[in-house]
Amino acid sequence: DVKVTQSSRYLVKRTGEKVFLECVQDMDHENMFWYRQDPGLGLRLIYFSYDVKMKEKGDIPEGYSVSREKKERFSLILESASTNQTSMYLCASSLLATKNIQYFGAGTRLSVL
Amino acid sequence: AQKVTQAQTEISVVEKEDVTLDCVYETRDTTYYLFWYKQPPSGELVFLIRRNSFDEQNEISGRYSWNFQKSTSSFNFTITASQVVDSAVYFCALSEGAGDYKLSFGAGTTVTVRA
Repeated sequence: DVKVTQSSRYLVKRTGEKVFLECVQDMDHENMFWYRQDPGLGLRLIYFSYDVKMKEKGDIPEGYSVSREKKERFSLILESASTNQTSMYLCASSLLATKNIQYFGAGTRLSVL
Repeated sequence: AQKVTQAQTEISVVEKEDVTLDCVYETRDTTYYLFWYKQPPSGELVFLIRRNSFDEQNEISGRYSWNFQKSTSSFNFTITASQVVDSAVYFCALSEGAGDYKLSFGAGTTVTVRA
């Protein structure tokens, strides 16, 4: 079974803090994704990566950056957290051969106070 | 513009009732993929089905069935004889083009099955 692990289930941060959300997958998937989930809006793509050190902007990249130094790990960075970034963050990965079937982690619920 | 519309925000049924979730999509591509995911209270989205645009056959998997109609741009999902374990948020998603691996999700439908 594919395992996508997000480092924290719940996180509380202060406005202005730098926040790191970590995601690790154990199936050697080439593609990795970060989404945020908000009520009534579904999942919106923040960034994705199709290879180590490669990244592409999704639909809502403003206020976020990402890092992929190793194939199995994809980090989402909030350079200066703001209250409007309070949300559920979901990481996903997919295999190039079956590229659009994505496997998800359990999510990190981030509260920015 | 919203590419995937799930008009039903919440559905509440009694156990053993059937429930149908609507999904309407919008794309100009002739090649595309449609998905359904389930998000139980634990939070992790679980892949249920992928259907490509060239395969309009309906599919049944146990108590789950899917009805794909290109004429109405719909990909509806029915749970037959619902159970409490079916309580979850269900998302419909679209991937456009043969080589694209991004998914556009609908807003989700929350299904509550009461015992």
